Amino acid sequence: GIQVEQSPPDLILQEGANSTLRCNFSDSVNNLQWFHQNPWGQLINLFYIPSGTKQNGRLSATTVATERYSLLYISSSQTTDSGVYFCVGTYKYIFGTGTRLKVLA
Amino acid sequence: DVKVTQSSRYLVKRTGEKVFLECVQDMDHENMFWYRQDPGLGLRLIYFSYDVKMKEKGDIPEGYSVSREKKERFSLILESASTNQTSMYLCASRARDGSSYEQYFGPGTRLTVT
Repeated sequence: GIQVEQSPPDLILQEGANSTLRCNFSDSVNNLQWFHQNPWGQLINLFYIPSGTKQNGRLSATTVATERYSLLYISSSQTTDSGVYFCVGTYKYIFGTGTRLKVLA
Repeated sequence: DVKVTQSSRYLVKRTGEKVFLECVQDMDHENMFWYRQDPGLGLRLIYFSYDVKMKEKGDIPEGYSVSREKKERFSLILESASTNQTSMYLCASRARDGSSYEQYFGPGTRLTVT
């Protein structure tokens, strides 16, 4: 089956720093989505991004479907950005293993 | 705003009990999903439903069944709860057709089976 690999698995940042999270797919994936899981377990939609680039405030995402990867950029990180970030290929609903982010004040 | 609600945030049940987890969405979505999330294993798909009374097994259906009698409601049933079903259960919905296949999640139910 399709494998989804996310990197890095863990990330610690100082508040204000920028970061890039990566999601690689072993095969072509439709309908890629990025989520943030907050400390209470709620999965929050960040981007639905099958291809191209989108921006929402301090966050932006780029998907290059032909090369089977997607990137999530977080700029000027805040402590509220802490949590786990997942990418999902919604054709087969395959979740990546996540990147656990901790932002220190 | 899309809203997906789950019947309980926390639930404690005894081994052997029958357990019902309910999920309701208000966006008239055709597709609904049940996942479980465990440390180190990520989110895994248990079942999904693409229409009323229609269902398909996901990756880990053993020990679970589902019911979809109405479009807005999707129930996960543990016929005889076991301790290895202690987990976080997450429900999701999405539209079947259209320009976006974006999935929306409920807040989750943390189930403990003792």
